[in-house]
This record gives sequence, C-alpha cells and structure tokens, in this order.
Amino acid sequence: QSVLTQPPSASGTPGQRVTISCSGSTSNIGSDTVNWYQQLPGTAPKLLIYNNNQRPSGVPDRFSGSKSGTSASLAISGLQSEDEADYFCAVWDDSLHGWVFGGGTKLTVL
Amino acid sequence: EVQVVESGGGVVRPGGSLTLSCAASGFTFDDYGMSWVRQAPGKGLEWVSGINWSGGSTGYAGSVKGRFTISRDNAKNSLYLQMNSLRAEDTALYHCARGQRGTMTAPFDFWGQGTLVTVSS
Repeated sequence: QSVLTQPPSASGTPGQRVTISCSGSTSNIGSDTVNWYQQLPGTAPKLLIYNNNQRPSGVPDRFSGSKSGTSASLAISGLQSEDEADYFCAVWDDSLHGWVFGGGTKLTVL
Repeated sequence: EVQVVESGGGVVRPGGSLTLSCAASGFTFDDYGMSWVRQAPGKGLEWVSGINWSGGSTGYAGSVKGRFTISRDNAKNSLYLQMNSLRAEDTALYHCARGQRGTMTAPFDFWGQGTLVTVSS
C-alpha cells in the first residue's frame, strides 16, 4: 500500500488531454512540493515535473503539473503514442523523513 | 554527459549480505545528494535510502532501517549501499539517483539503469 494514492490506469486517444491524480496527506503533499516521473517500458524513470509545476529542460510543455491542498495532478495535453508509460508522483514526507511514491499509473494511448 | 552506473547486484540467500556501488561521472559529484530507489519486478518505485552531498546526513525507509547502510566516497565519485540480513522482499532492481541539489530532499534528476538483486534460497 503506497503512501500516495494514484489510479492504477488511465487512457486516452491521440490528441486528447488526460489527467492523473495523486492524493496524499498533510505530512507530504500538504507540506512539500510534488514531483512526477515518467517511466517508459524497460527504461529508468525520468523526471517529468518538479516543484509542483516546473518542467526540466527538454520536457515538452504538453506536460503540466498542479497541486491543491493534499492532492496533485499531472496533465498531458495533445496525447501522443510515445506518452504511453508509467507515471509516478513523489514527495518528501516530513513525518517519515523520507521520499514517498505513488503506486504508479499506467497510461495507455488507444 | 551525466552518468550514474550501478553494479554489485546478484543472487544472495536470505540472511545474506551484498554491497551495491554507483559510479558517477559527468558532474561534480560532491555538489549533489544521492539516493537509492528500488523497483520490485512488475511493481512501483520505493525509495530505499538517501545521503546529502557531504555524507553527513542520511535517511532510510522503514523497511530497511537497521539493515542497510548508505555511504559515499566523494574522492572516488561513488555511492554505496551495504545491505545486510537480506529478505525475499528485498528482491528488486536498485537504481542510483542524483538529487537536483546537495540535500537528499531534492527531486531526482538523473537515474541509472539499475542493478538487480535477487534474494532466494
């Protein structure tokens, strides 16, 4: 059971906009910034969004993040087949004194 | 080019020990915090342990506290994870990950491909 809760799956057709949610508590999302990672099949995770809504260099602006209270969301607009991957949210948990991850959401592009 | 390359994985019996290494290159190693993150087969990501730039601050997941020890050698641009009293549930691909800053609370901006640890009798 992960500390952060994500839906196990999401899907969309090319060009659509999809969102993936991440729910936590006051000791993690409620008190620190949220990060999102993308893991393409058979590869290492890649930082996609940091500090709730910042994109590292090279990440398309189709990807955006937001946070409100103890929940966060990742939005992907203009969905492309290459976006098919697992997506994980992560945040530093002050009470656990460690990083916690969501269980991951498998995104399928139909 | 930033690179982190893990090594040291293998098959070990329950109760056994193993030491993982992570060789870093392409950046000033002692400017960054580092972590180990594992992924059991077909499962999600689990943070295992982290260390700040100097080695003076470390942290562990509750599932490994007291059994695993993280360390770094900045002169050798290397990160280590000493794993003792291994259990079947420690079986996973272990990734070395660089933090964006010197603390272990910074998000991970570069990841290695991982080294596989299998705990089995």
